[in-house]
Amino acid sequence: IAGITQAPTSQILAAGRRMTLRCTQDMRHNAMYWYRQDLGLGLRLIHYSNTAGTTGKGEVPDGYSVSRANTDDFPLTLASAVPSQTSVYFCASSQDRSMGTDTQYFGPGTRLTVL
Amino acid sequence: GQNIDQPTEMTATEGAIVQINCTYQTSGFNGLFWYQQHAGEAPTFLSYNVLDGLEEKGRFSSFLSRSKGYSYLLLKELQMKDSASYLCAVRDGDYKLSFGAGTTVTVRA
Repeated sequence: IAGITQAPTSQILAAGRRMTLRCTQDMRHNAMYWYRQDLGLGLRLIHYSNTAGTTGKGEVPDGYSVSRANTDDFPLTLASAVPSQTSVYFCASSQDRSMGTDTQYFGPGTRLTVL
Repeated sequence: GQNIDQPTEMTATEGAIVQINCTYQTSGFNGLFWYQQHAGEAPTFLSYNVLDGLEEKGRFSSFLSRSKGYSYLLLKELQMKDSASYLCAVRDGDYKLSFGAGTTVTVRA
């Protein structure tokens, strides 16, 4: 059982290019999340999905889009990358976002550099 | 938005005890989490508190006071492998999880 996998591990991207970060979980979790982590700012929520077919905006959604076609996959797309999107991106999943003891589990992260 | 504060850095000696404080202000409250994150790795779940009091799990304990908007993570019998960042996270009334910036703990021999 892999848990959560992310791809690529790292990427250097030219500004203006389109990029999709992939995230797959095999735990049959209903909820999935995308965070970015920057020095001194901690983890900030970009987008989330409570269940397949639904998505919602987090704290910093501008410049990013997501889709949730099935339970396992939750890709994050940067339509036209900008240098301020240089960050480490973590995907996470949890069983049920509205459950009291619901715990999020994180993937290994993608380090993205936009030049 | 949420406001979660924790110290930026702490240093302690191997075998000692360190207490990491976290204060928060949120709209609604549905639990407080502590995560550990080693450099270059993903955060991993350590503890969850939703009721006031102390939760003990081996060398790690976490305390919550909802009325004070306060929690701490206590690390006992420190080991070199405990050198990491410790993230305090609070779930608000809408079940959104907000993270503090993290406390980097350095354990010295």
